[in-house]
Amino acid sequence: DADVTQTPRNRITKTGKRIMLECSQTKGHDRMYWYRQDPGLGLRLIYYSFDVKDINKGEISDGYSVSRQAQAKFSLSLESAIPNQTALYFCATRGGADTQYFGPGTRLTVL
Amino acid sequence: EDQVTQSPEALRLQEGESSSLNCSYTVSGLRGLFWYRQDPGKGPEFLFTLYSAGEEKEKERLKATLTKKESFLHITAPKPEDSATYLCAVQAGGTQGGSEKLVFGKGTKLTVNP
Repeated sequence: DADVTQTPRNRITKTGKRIMLECSQTKGHDRMYWYRQDPGLGLRLIYYSFDVKDINKGEISDGYSVSRQAQAKFSLSLESAIPNQTALYFCATRGGADTQYFGPGTRLTVL
Repeated sequence: EDQVTQSPEALRLQEGESSSLNCSYTVSGLRGLFWYRQDPGKGPEFLFTLYSAGEEKEKERLKATLTKKESFLHITAPKPEDSATYLCAVQAGGTQGGSEKLVFGKGTKLTVNP
């Protein structure tokens, strides 16, 4: 089984809808991250969490919120989706070392 | 502002034709430089972490090197299965918030033809 899983893998939604992307990990890592990837822009950090009680904004947090339900689960929500939030979304985890390990991604399309 | 520039954007090689990918960076206190491989529709797969100038790491046909301003990913005798996008990222030192962010380059898309 994969160490970092994301659901759903693909999602098409309409403008104004609320949507949640979920991430689970079995690596036992404390730190979890949400990134988005856009063609020509590279990966950018949305939110990160050190533990259940410690959540921090990244460089592009506007329009997004997160919830860390447990050490192993970190969810990303779009309260009212808009077309420019169409992107690939990746969850990542990090343990004691500096390396971040990424999940398989969710392809989100907002019509 | 921390910045990562990768070149070339795309590279086509024949099987067995060795080459190098470049990652130039500016960062306020380098904590680490990371190389990832990304296949279409998949998440980045970790390859290497480099921490200080002069450091080198190898894995199969790949070798990563680091200087104070850039990193190279050398690919020796590549095979078609090495085709992927290679991403470089830097992690700044300093404050706790700053050290959590990886700044990614846009990647180099490598195609190895048989």
